Amino acid sequence: AQKITQTQPGMFVQEKEAVTLDCTYDTSDQSYGLFWYKQPSSGEMIFLIYQGSYDEQNATEGRYSLNFQKARKSANLVISASQLGDSAMYFCAMRTLDSNYQLIWGAGTKLIIKP
Amino acid sequence: EAQVTQNPRYLITVTGKKLTVTCSQNMNHEYMSWYRQDPGLGLRQIYYSMNVEVTDKGDVPEGYKVSRKEKRNFPLILESPSPNQTSLYFCASSSSQGFFGYTFGSGTRLTVV
Repeated sequence: AQKITQTQPGMFVQEKEAVTLDCTYDTSDQSYGLFWYKQPSSGEMIFLIYQGSYDEQNATEGRYSLNFQKARKSANLVISASQLGDSAMYFCAMRTLDSNYQLIWGAGTKLIIKP
Repeated sequence: EAQVTQNPRYLITVTGKKLTVTCSQNMNHEYMSWYRQDPGLGLRQIYYSMNVEVTDKGDVPEGYKVSRKEKRNFPLILESPSPNQTSLYFCASSSSQGFFGYTFGSGTRLTVV
């Protein structure tokens, strides 16, 4: 079965600290893509970062990086130097050939940045 | 600007009154999808479309209809809305090539009273 697990329902982090949001996935497909999305309180879904299963290097996008550990099937999101505007829900998602390219979603982590 | 345009942003309606939520993308994406998001249940797929005239049910299709007559448009139709369809709805599109992520519309907050 294909599944995304986010074990942290909520996190509080001090402003300017780095934060790691956990994501583990389960799939028997060899080819897949992993994504992180941010959903602020306004509701829109914002794409943050993508990692392909064959990518040898961890993806980075500005302050976001993805700690991809294929053998452990984990794809943790790291936000460096957190800001107040990072407070939001964060979703990990996966897309595979076997899922007909549909996105499989985790339950999300609510991140609150404290000033 | 590449985007998915979803309308309306907010809608309050009464039980049984047919409504349509429109979705349009300007990226020539083959793949389009509708999700609903409810507290504690995450995002659940309602319907998806692999291309024009090709649609299929997602996880929660009951009470919804879709059509894909043109590549850019993928409207969601509620023939007879009920209060349990009160939710936040998202339209999203993606290329069918590779594993690119979805681009999401801004969402529609629907309340059925």
